[in-house]
This record gives sequence, structure tokens and C-alpha cells, in this order.
Amino acid sequence: GQQLNQSPQSMFIQEGEDVSMNCTSSSIFNTWLWYKQDPGEGPVLLIALYKAGELTSNGRLTAQFGITRKDSFLNISASIPSDVGIYFCAGQGSGTYKYIFGTGTRLKVLA
Amino acid sequence: KAGVTQTPRYLIKTRGQQVTLSCSPISGHRSVSWYQQTPGQGLQFLFEYFSETQRNKGNFPGRFSGRQFSNSRSEMNVSTLELGDSALYLCASSSGGVSEGYTFGSGTRLTVV
Repeated sequence: GQQLNQSPQSMFIQEGEDVSMNCTSSSIFNTWLWYKQDPGEGPVLLIALYKAGELTSNGRLTAQFGITRKDSFLNISASIPSDVGIYFCAGQGSGTYKYIFGTGTRLKVLA
Repeated sequence: KAGVTQTPRYLIKTRGQQVTLSCSPISGHRSVSWYQQTPGQGLQFLFEYFSETQRNKGNFPGRFSGRQFSNSRSEMNVSTLELGDSALYLCASSSGGVSEGYTFGSGTRLTVV
């Protein structure tokens, strides 16, 4: 099935460090979502983006809707151990109600 | 308000059997989407229902089917189970409008032996 490319696939970071990840697509999207999934649970919505160039924050998390509408970025500042999990991006194109999900970025934080 | 409820949480079935999974959306949400999550393939879209009608469908074989009831609760069915159907099946609900974000349930972990 169709998927978005996320990078990096996984990363180990030290507590307190900033984290950046991105998501790219060959298609233009009208909406970008970022989710976090903890082990054994469903993904939880972190940030939603609706306009090219939009920059939105949720606490220590900041996400951007790329100008080309084919990419999106998520930054986590001053990471803490509970940031551990898998982060997914999801995009929705025009004329459809379904979301395509990225391959995920697995984040591990070393205390 | 209550979140998205999926039952059962865990299920073990034998190859060749069929299975039915249930999803109760957030009250007032009319759209229910189903995703299959596997370590190798990530989150793959199965189908979406809105007001009892299938509005979108992913690229899965006909063994995977679903339906939605008038109270917006949804079920998905997998017939003639194969080992490769082992996965976490996630249900997500939304109000159904364009650009509405999903709220996911905790999923049903299906193991086919």
C-alpha cells in the first residue's frame, strides 16, 4: 500500500537533547498529522497542520507543514524519557477522507 | 467523554478460521476507519465507513470486509485467516469532515497460528 517516507527510522538520543524528524511524499497533501504511539496502545494525535508553511506547537513539540506541501517536520525540544515511542506522520490529499501514514520514527531516549 | 473502544484486545485464531473485530467510536463521531499495523508494513489503510456506507477502501483482498451500524459502531471481518494476517488492527473515529484528525482505539492484537 501507499506510504509516506519518514526519517530517520530510529534514533537514540540523550535526555535533554532536541530531536528532529521528517516525512516526505511524492504527492501533495492538504493536511498533515503527527501521532505518537506507545507500546501496546493506539497512536495519539499530537499536532495537526492545515496550511502550507504553517508552524504549530504543542508544548515541547513543534511541527511544520512544508511549503511544497509534500513534506512535514516534527521537532521535540529538551527530550525526556517519556518521549520514547514511535512517531508517525499522516497525510491527507484532496478529494479523499483517508489518511496515508508514514513508516514511523522510533525514538529512544537515554537518561 | 469515552474514547474509541475496541474489543477484544487480544485474539488467537487458527489458520482458515474467520474473525470479527468490533469498534465503538467516540460518541457523535460518524466516521470509522480501520488500519492494519505490522512491524514490516507499518499502518496500512483497510477501509473507512461513514453513516453506514463504505466511503474509502484500501488495497486488501476481499477476505477483509467491514460494516457500520446505525449507531456508528463498526465491525471488521476477516475470513479464511492466513498466518500473514497476524497484526494489530486499529480502529479510528472522527466526525467525518475533511481534514478531521482521527482518534484511535488501543487496537486488537490478532495472532493466527
